[in-house]
Amino acid sequence: QKEVEQNSGPLSVPEGAIASLNCTYSDRGSQSFFWYRQYSGKSPELIMFIYSNGDKEDGRFTAQLNKASQYVSLLIRDSQPSDSATYLCAVKLDNAGNMLTFGGGTRLMVKP
Amino acid sequence: ETGVTQSPTHLIKTRGQQVTLRCSSQSGHNTVSWYQQALGQGPQFIFQYYREEENGRGNFPPRFSGLQFPNYSSELNVNALELDDSALYLCASASASGSVYEQYFGPGTRLTVT
Repeated sequence: QKEVEQNSGPLSVPEGAIASLNCTYSDRGSQSFFWYRQYSGKSPELIMFIYSNGDKEDGRFTAQLNKASQYVSLLIRDSQPSDSATYLCAVKLDNAGNMLTFGGGTRLMVKP
Repeated sequence: ETGVTQSPTHLIKTRGQQVTLRCSSQSGHNTVSWYQQALGQGPQFIFQYYREEENGRGNFPPRFSGLQFPNYSSELNVNALELDDSALYLCASASASGSVYEQYFGPGTRLTVT
């Protein structure tokens, strides 16, 4: 079992819709959770992080964390074609310094 | 722009050769991490440096080594290159945001081993 799992997609949503990206992790000691966006041929760009159960909102993005279910998600409201990218979930495991463990990423396609 | 720079952008090497990749951290960031990202996969942690010392290592063999300099710039060295070393190599520098370290990636170096 992989430590951080994501559906590879592609996830296709129409412009203006809500895109929901999901991630599960196996280590219950995981402390903080990060979402990165990666455009094709580019490096990952940090969108936001969350470390407490519940929701955290930043503009059109909302991260949701449920530690009991070992589940973290990213909602993108009013999706735009420019949101089309691969979204990487990363987890800082307990006692792992600042090492991030990444999932394989979910490819999002927003269709005009 | 994250303020993290990497050189070179692209590199082609032959199997068995050695390569050095370079990274300059964002000003004020004293922690740098290196990741390898194979095509279609998420980044994999290689190692991290803090105040010029290795401070954590992933599941990579000893032929992957690194350095961090007093100005917090860093190098990744790979000896005896193998075909599977072909990947995007990412450097990330970190700053603390409360109790969480936010890691910001540089543009990466695309290494092709033939």
